[in-house]
Amino acid sequence: NAGVTQTPKFQVLKTGQSMTLQCAQDMNHNSMYWYRQDPGMGLRLIYYSASEGTTDKGEVPNGYNVSRLNKREFSLRLESAAPSQTSVYFCASSEGGGRGYGYTFGSGTRLTVV
Amino acid sequence: DAKTTQPNSMESNEEEPVHLPCNHSTISGTDYIHWYRQLPSQGPEYVIHGLTSNVNNRMASLAIAEDRKSSTLILHRATLRDAAVYYCILRVYTGNQFYFGTGTSLTVIP
Repeated sequence: NAGVTQTPKFQVLKTGQSMTLQCAQDMNHNSMYWYRQDPGMGLRLIYYSASEGTTDKGEVPNGYNVSRLNKREFSLRLESAAPSQTSVYFCASSEGGGRGYGYTFGSGTRLTVV
Repeated sequence: DAKTTQPNSMESNEEEPVHLPCNHSTISGTDYIHWYRQLPSQGPEYVIHGLTSNVNNRMASLAIAEDRKSSTLILHRATLRDAAVYYCILRVYTGNQFYFGTGTSLTVIP
């Protein structure tokens, strides 16, 4: 099925370890986004990529880096994981950055940092 | 970031209509109103969006007040599958991203 695919679905890291969350979309969307969701809270934007070759910071970018590898793929890297980064991470894509375009979200990666 | 205000929770009986309100008094003329929902353990799912006129699709209807300071998401016949957190979001002109609040948790009673 067309959509946004995130890997892995679950991950446990030790403090200080690094990892990369992968995201790919097959809808030929231009824009891609990374959000995190903490218990009892809404989603907060980490980074986004309006188009291939561009990335920008969102609300909570500290401790993260991103790469827009090509039009399909947008990865999120934690260089030195901290317990505060325990969260559910969602990737999303949209056809464009215009205000009329909706998002398609992936099913999430549940990350625990111990 | 553009703010919206929603009730924390609502209940509805199965097979009955549900009206989910949202206040967005600081909305500007170019901001779109979007609604998403999030089922347990899933990513948010697009429901509907609009600018000025009321909108209908297969999932729901969106009623926008004439002054655009509030809107209502209408589920015509609630099912158990509609139990989710519903987010009302403004997509602002200057940004390329959504700002999510905490949404309304909808419980559907069989």
